[in-house]
Amino acid sequence: EVQLLESGGGWVQPGGSLRLSCRASGFTFTSYAMAWVRQAPGKGLEWVSTMSGRGGTTWYADSVKGRFTISRDNSKNTLYLQMNSLRAEDTAIYYCAKGEFLDNWNYARDPWGQGTLVTVSS
Amino acid sequence: EIVMTQSPATLSVSPGERATLSCRASQSVNINLAWYQQKPGQAPRLLIYGASTRAPGIPARFSGSGSGTEFTLTISSLQSEDFAVYYCQQYNNWPPYSFGQGTKLEIK
Repeated sequence: EVQLLESGGGWVQPGGSLRLSCRASGFTFTSYAMAWVRQAPGKGLEWVSTMSGRGGTTWYADSVKGRFTISRDNSKNTLYLQMNSLRAEDTAIYYCAKGEFLDNWNYARDPWGQGTLVTVSS
Repeated sequence: EIVMTQSPATLSVSPGERATLSCRASQSVNINLAWYQQKPGQAPRLLIYGASTRAPGIPARFSGSGSGTEFTLTISSLQSEDFAVYYCQQYNNWPPYSFGQGTKLEIK
């Protein structure tokens, strides 16, 4: 059974940092691109970042470029999102999502993780 | 960046009736389009990819159509569990992968 379990969310002041983790199980982690997708309270879905299966290529939304870093440890079947210089507008539930292929994420195959809430506020 | 626009924002339909949701892309995305369903307090769920291919386990009452810039998600006979928010997402030109703003399907 495929499972994605996010952790690391919480409350942080503007300008602060957090690192999110997503532990994957039930599939060959190294064979799939992975992504972070977020959802601000009461709002729609926003793609944040993607990393290819072997970790060689990363992509970021303009809204987080230069502040967030995606990474993965394939030996631990874990995806990470290092978030620096956090802003109030980064407040959201952050989901990790398994993609369609090794290099191209394309869309989020089921199941998504349950999400982890990040709150940026003073 | 491709902008995805969904309409209507809210759709009120009675159980047992058909629901038709629309998604428009600002430029062609071929058939590289996915649909998701999200219920309150839950993560989204993949319904359709490739514009018309149902994801595993998705009931046949869900169907997707379209190509280029115009897409439709049809639910043929609404069940109580189908009332939710629906999102489209393109994956033809990326980054970024872009989502529509969502259509809320509510009980009439």
